[in-house]
Amino acid sequence: DTVLTQSPALAVSPGERVTISCRASESVSTLMHWYQQKPGQQPTLLIYLASNLESGVPARFSGSGSGTDFTLTIDPVEADDTATYYCQQSWNDPLTFGSGTKLEIK
Amino acid sequence: QVQLKESGPGLVQPSETLSLTCTVSGFSLTSYSVSWVRQPSGKGPEWMGRMWYDGDTAYNSALKSRLSISRDTSKNQVFLKMNSLQTDDTGTYYCTRDRVRYYRGYYFDYWGQGVMVTVSS
Repeated sequence: DTVLTQSPALAVSPGERVTISCRASESVSTLMHWYQQKPGQQPTLLIYLASNLESGVPARFSGSGSGTDFTLTIDPVEADDTATYYCQQSWNDPLTFGSGTKLEIK
Repeated sequence: QVQLKESGPGLVQPSETLSLTCTVSGFSLTSYSVSWVRQPSGKGPEWMGRMWYDGDTAYNSALKSRLSISRDTSKNQVFLKMNSLQTDDTGTYYCTRDRVRYYRGYYFDYWGQGVMVTVSS
């Protein structure tokens, strides 16, 4: 299976820029997608196909990358962005998710 | 608007079978595929399998021997059955609407609220 590795946690202050990384154990082309999950809620789609912003998602969120290295950027960060962020690949079977990066807003 | 809602028992005995139902509205099961995704507490999600819009199915190879996904389009429902449950099957089970872009561009644009399943005697 394709393993997606994410840093466990980050802490930033409101107004700052934060980058959340996801590294794949093998190439996934640009078939990487990002989700936000707030405590007690289901995940919601933020970015699809590495860099496409889902409708209704604030333009503060952006995604980049290809191959094995991907980044989700939030700029500027707001207090409401407190959540865990997951990457998900669909190039290889089975579809897999990362273990998540928990973002704390100081 | 698009909605998905999972239902089923919250507690299952070890070695028994889990049966869950996903009831959808706002879209047709013959136009969109629906997946089941589960998430142990504090961990990342795991894709379990998919009911394709054309009635075909796809399964995560790790679960394939225990898992069955079916549907009733007249009731707008997708079903999950998984047998031989163990304690590490405990978690929240979600159904999702799948979106597909290009070749293998599969991702999940709507999620149900999830149902917590505990495997315990």
